Amino acid sequence: EPEVTQTPSHQVTQMGQEVILRCVPISNHLYFYWYRQILGQKVEFLVSFYNNEISEKSEIFDDQFSVERPDGSNFTLKIRSTKLEDSAMYFCASIQGSDYGYTFGSGTRLTVV
Amino acid sequence: RKEVEQDPGPFNVPEGATVAFNCTYSNSASQSFFWYRQDCRKEPKLLMSVYSSGNEDGRFTAQLNRASQYISLLIRDSKLSDSATYLCVPRTYNTDKLIFGTGTRLQVFP
Repeated sequence: EPEVTQTPSHQVTQMGQEVILRCVPISNHLYFYWYRQILGQKVEFLVSFYNNEISEKSEIFDDQFSVERPDGSNFTLKIRSTKLEDSAMYFCASIQGSDYGYTFGSGTRLTVV
Repeated sequence: RKEVEQDPGPFNVPEGATVAFNCTYSNSASQSFFWYRQDCRKEPKLLMSVYSSGNEDGRFTAQLNRASQYISLLIRDSKLSDSATYLCVPRTYNTDKLIFGTGTRLQVFP
């Protein structure tokens, strides 16, 4: 079964450092997403990406965040200057079309110290 | 009113039991509906889509009542492996995002 792949599975970084979280969506999918889940809380939408541009973003997705699809297969989330409160699981997801359920990757656990 | 409301549980049931979860959503423009399950510290996994006519997938049955803005999930013959958090997720076509609630936690015991 096709998978969404995320790397790394766990990243520890110092406050103020930049991090890049990587995702390889399913190859024929057209819509890509980042979500995050702070420990013990619900899954929150960050950003959606379609046709090489952001289609929607949440209030959480401020100027510290950016997304890219640099080479047609990878989909990255960059956090420019991490804060302690950025510690969370970050999930990448993709869908083939709007009628389909999402496929999520297994997530990257980001710990900011 | 919250966009998605579910009883957080936990629902503690013995193996073999039938258990039902309910969910209400506030956005009447919601058009697609899904049930996801999430194991502790894992990603949400799509369990089933929910259709207006109701649908069944093995031991799982989902129902949708648009008039009441209510979705349900019935699990028959519960297995230990069904222990997870079950997330009701509506989606509207005027937005890309899925709105997750806190889900309902199910614990199946031997």
